[in-house]
Amino acid sequence: DADVTQTPRNRITKTGKRIMLECSQTKGHDRMYWYRQDPGLGLRLIYYSFDVKDINKGEISDGYSVSRQAQAKFSLSLESAIPNQTALYFCATSDYKALDGYTFGSGTRLTVV
Amino acid sequence: SQQGEEDPQALSIQEGENATMNCSYKTSINNLQWYRQNSGRGLVHLILIRSNEREKHSGRLRVTLDTSKKSSSLLITASRAADTASYFCATDEDSGYSTLTFGKGTMLLVSP
Repeated sequence: DADVTQTPRNRITKTGKRIMLECSQTKGHDRMYWYRQDPGLGLRLIYYSFDVKDINKGEISDGYSVSRQAQAKFSLSLESAIPNQTALYFCATSDYKALDGYTFGSGTRLTVV
Repeated sequence: SQQGEEDPQALSIQEGENATMNCSYKTSINNLQWYRQNSGRGLVHLILIRSNEREKHSGRLRVTLDTSKKSSSLLITASRAADTASYFCATDEDSGYSTLTFGKGTMLLVSP
């Protein structure tokens, strides 16, 4: 099994719908992150969590919410999807200092029509 | 806002040649990391260089860091077609161990 598993891998949804992207990790790390990737813009941080009781907004949190259900699980929700939220979404995890880097999931390709 | 900016945006070389990518950043850092992304897949951590290091090697990878110029370079020697990917630098800012800020990436194409 992958260290970081994201579901679904691909999703097409309609404008205005609520959608949840799920992430689970088996690394045993406390820290988890959600990033969004758009062509030409690199990765931008949406939300991050340093432990189960800690949730923080990132650079582009508007229109998104998160839930840290357990150390291993961190889900991202789009409350009312809009077309400019069409992107590739990545979940990642790390330990405190991240000296071994972040471990990323394979991503969820989301299309909002 | 983006911390690191890679240069060039795209690079095309032949197998066997060396590939050099550069990254510039804006603030003081704890460390700088390089990642590889194969088309549409998750990023994979390649190498980390700390702010007090100037050069680091890992296999065919060589990373340099110049904190006075706030820049880093990634050299891939003897490139292979399998090195075709996007490469991103990411910085851990010098304000405690927080989050990584990624650049926009360099797309490398290695032709057989």
